[in-house]
Amino acid sequence: EVQLVESGGGLVQPGGSLRLSCAASGFTFSSYWMSWVRQAPGKGLEWVANIKQDGSEKYYVDFVKGRFTISRDNAENSLFLQMNSLRTEDTAVYYCARSRWSKGSLFDDWGQGTLVTVSS
Amino acid sequence: DVVMTQSPLSLPVTLGQPASISCRSSQSLVHSDGNTYLNWFQQRPGQSPRRLIYRVSNRDSGVPDRFSGSGSGTDFTLRISRVEAEDVAVYYCMQGTHWPPFTFGPGTKVDIK
Repeated sequence: EVQLVESGGGLVQPGGSLRLSCAASGFTFSSYWMSWVRQAPGKGLEWVANIKQDGSEKYYVDFVKGRFTISRDNAENSLFLQMNSLRTEDTAVYYCARSRWSKGSLFDDWGQGTLVTVSS
Repeated sequence: DVVMTQSPLSLPVTLGQPASISCRSSQSLVHSDGNTYLNWFQQRPGQSPRRLIYRVSNRDSGVPDRFSGSGSGTDFTLRISRVEAEDVAVYYCMQGTHWPPFTFGPGTKVDIK
């Protein structure tokens, strides 16, 4: 069974930092692109960043460029999101999701999410 | 960036009746590889998103066959043939053809009349 389990969320002050993790199991993690998608309270879904299977390519939405860094550890089956210079508008539930371009399959499985609250 | 729009944004339906959600993209979603990367997701209250349909019309494993997707180019539709109580959710379309960024529609909230 595919499992994606996010952790690391919490309350942080504006300007602060947080590192999210996503632990993957039940599939060959190193065969999948991985993404972070967020959802502000009561709002819709917003893609944040993704990373290629071997970590050689990373892409970000404009409003997090220079502040957030996506990374992965295939030996540990883990995905990460380092978030710096956090703003109140970054408050959201952050989900990790997997994609496999070779099968034309995008975002087929999601984690349960971890809540990040940026507030003073 | 590709802008995704959905209509309606709110859809009250009667149990057992059909429902239809429209999704439009600001440019064609036909990829250079010939595929059209348009997905539909269901998000029930308090839950994570769940993919229902990928590449316009392919139903995911375990998705009831009352859900179907259709469309091409810039116009797409998600249909529920007979709405059941468990279908109460917000439905999102998402394009994966022109990225980054991947973009989602604003969501359509389906509830029971």
